[in-house]
Amino acid sequence: SQQGEEDPQALSIQEGENATMNCSYKTSINNLQWYRQNSGRGLVHLILIRSNEREKHSGRLRVTLDTSKKSSSLLITASRAADTASYFCATDDGATNKLIFGTGTLLAVQP
Amino acid sequence: GAVVSQHPSWVICKSGTSVKIECRSLDFQATTMFWYRQFPKQSLMLMATSNEGSKATYEQGVEKDKFLINHASLTLSTLTVTSAHPEDSSFYICSARVPYNEQFFGPGTRLTVL
Repeated sequence: SQQGEEDPQALSIQEGENATMNCSYKTSINNLQWYRQNSGRGLVHLILIRSNEREKHSGRLRVTLDTSKKSSSLLITASRAADTASYFCATDDGATNKLIFGTGTLLAVQP
Repeated sequence: GAVVSQHPSWVICKSGTSVKIECRSLDFQATTMFWYRQFPKQSLMLMATSNEGSKATYEQGVEKDKFLINHASLTLSTLTVTSAHPEDSSFYICSARVPYNEQFFGPGTRLTVL
């Protein structure tokens, strides 16, 4: 089953620009995580934000979480061509140990 | 971070044969591992939760007799696709987690059934 949706489905930007991806989910969570996947490859964990946190930073990444709206956003600043990948949010309810993934956003950064 | 490996990386098989995919946690013990399936240009769909020493828990709509999961040790879980058919062709990804922290994903196994 899929927890929620991400938008946009696909995004194309120029190198140096910022990219914002949004994730909405349906149920209560313990934490929300963002992952990156290059085409045909495994997943790379980017950042985890807990339900009692509102914002978190890691390098060029900034994640926000609004539990009242059941939504999160991932901002990648000063994008690079190497950031081209699919980005997925995933929610953890803290009870079942499962991670449920969103639909994903395909980001293309043009050099 | 912790490392999870999968073997094989890709496999091509004939329709009707069975294929076994291994998932190993290399530098930590994982009482729980997860198996996902990903079709082209789609997200990961959780298939089942693999528990060491007990039966796997399957998600709704996943045939447990077709996708056999064995978690025989704290570092190894296997997924066997029995009597594979072309519609089973997909990217299969396993993961292992440290409770209440991020999951660590394997690199995936691409299965093509001819």
